[in-house]
Amino acid sequence: GEDVEQSLFLSVREGDSSVINCTYTDSSSTYLYWYKQEPGAGLQLLTYIFSNMDMKQDQRLTVLLNKKDKHLSLRIADTQTGDSAIYFCAEMDSSYKLIFGSGTRLLVRP
Amino acid sequence: EADIYQTPRYLVIGTGKKITLECSQTMGHDKMYWYQQDPGMELHLIHYSYGVNSTEKGDLSSESTVSRIRTEHFPLTLESARPSHTSQYLCASSGTTTGMAQETQYFGPGTRLLVL
Repeated sequence: GEDVEQSLFLSVREGDSSVINCTYTDSSSTYLYWYKQEPGAGLQLLTYIFSNMDMKQDQRLTVLLNKKDKHLSLRIADTQTGDSAIYFCAEMDSSYKLIFGSGTRLLVRP
Repeated sequence: EADIYQTPRYLVIGTGKKITLECSQTMGHDKMYWYQQDPGMELHLIHYSYGVNSTEKGDLSSESTVSRIRTEHFPLTLESARPSHTSQYLCASSGTTTGMAQETQYFGPGTRLLVL
């Protein structure tokens, strides 16, 4: 079945760039998503990318998609302490269900 | 910003009690979902609905049940709560939203359940 994998933890210094990586298995996925979850809260949609795009930029966020390698990344420029959270990558399957990765915990050090 | 609400936000209850977790959305979305999430861990889909009077079980087996009598409302019920049900429950909805990817899921704030 479909599977989405992420590294579990990333630590960066405030002001540096963060890059969170994700791999997926379903080559028919049309949309891929990044969500952010802060402690005790639900998931907040950060951004998404169509499968026919290579890159999408939205303010400090840049999403890169390598469809050949089924690799998705989220780059956060000028990372701030408020960016500390868990970031989930997700792909949508053919029945509109989201397949989530296990989440990457981002820690931003002052 | 998504308009999806969950109540209660926190619930502490004794074993054997019946509970209902409420989820409502005002976006007119046809699809709604329930996920179970243990602290800091991945999400598991436990129920979903593609419209009124339509409910399906998700990928993770759950003793809970759901109903979808109205488009905007998707409550989850546990007939007899047990400590193993302690978790965070997240509700989501999806549908076509102007300017956004079709079927993007929007999440509520979650209900954190503790069964003693």
